Amino acid sequence: QITLKESGPTLVKPTQTLTLTCTFSGFSLSTSGMGVGWIRQPPGKALEWLALIYWDDDKRYSPSLESRLTIAKDTSKNQVVLIMTNMDPVDTATYYCAHSSTGTTKVPPYYYYYMDVWGRGTTVTVSS
Amino acid sequence: QSMVTQPPSASGTPGQRVTISCSGSRSNIGSNTVNWYQQLPGAAPKLLIYNNNQRPSGVPDRFSGSKSGTSASLAISGLQSEDEADYYCAPWDASLKGWVFGGGTKLTVL
Repeated sequence: QITLKESGPTLVKPTQTLTLTCTFSGFSLSTSGMGVGWIRQPPGKALEWLALIYWDDDKRYSPSLESRLTIAKDTSKNQVVLIMTNMDPVDTATYYCAHSSTGTTKVPPYYYYYMDVWGRGTTVTVSS
Repeated sequence: QSMVTQPPSASGTPGQRVTISCSGSRSNIGSNTVNWYQQLPGAAPKLLIYNNNQRPSGVPDRFSGSKSGTSASLAISGLQSEDEADYYCAPWDASLKGWVFGGGTKLTVL
């Protein structure tokens, strides 16, 4: 059974750096095809994908936030960290991490990607 | 940045069939697969459909997904009160090399 749990500060000040940790179990991030993604949701608003890291350390970022984001994994600890710099009140949101899976079909041949198990989320408020 | 559009709201009565649309572009829906998520009030999103029309284990077959061109749809048949939730489409986007979420559709069961 795959589980994920987000942790980090609940309150940060504007311009500060946010560090969130996703601690997971039930899979290894050294296994081919595995990944962990981060997604956020401002209060009352839609989901927004932020970043994704794969088993081979390939990293992907949302272009609109790429300059402020860093994602990294610690395979031995079963953890993924997301760092977001220069926090602003508009970054107030619930932050989720999720397990990412990759599938493939033969006819026609293509890959497909999906986040199948999510953590409960952690709420971060940005305020002075 | 790539955009994916959903109607903000949808509604139906118990037992009815409702569909939720998701409109994208060539770089996302047009060339990649679509996932759908259900988010009950106060809860984390839950995967409902992946790879356009596949259901994870445990998801009732009342939920179905389809894709045509740059659009996708989620259909819910035999609507139940517990289906009242927000629904998000999330295609993979080739230009982002990540997912793009639609704005979400709030489903009300009347």
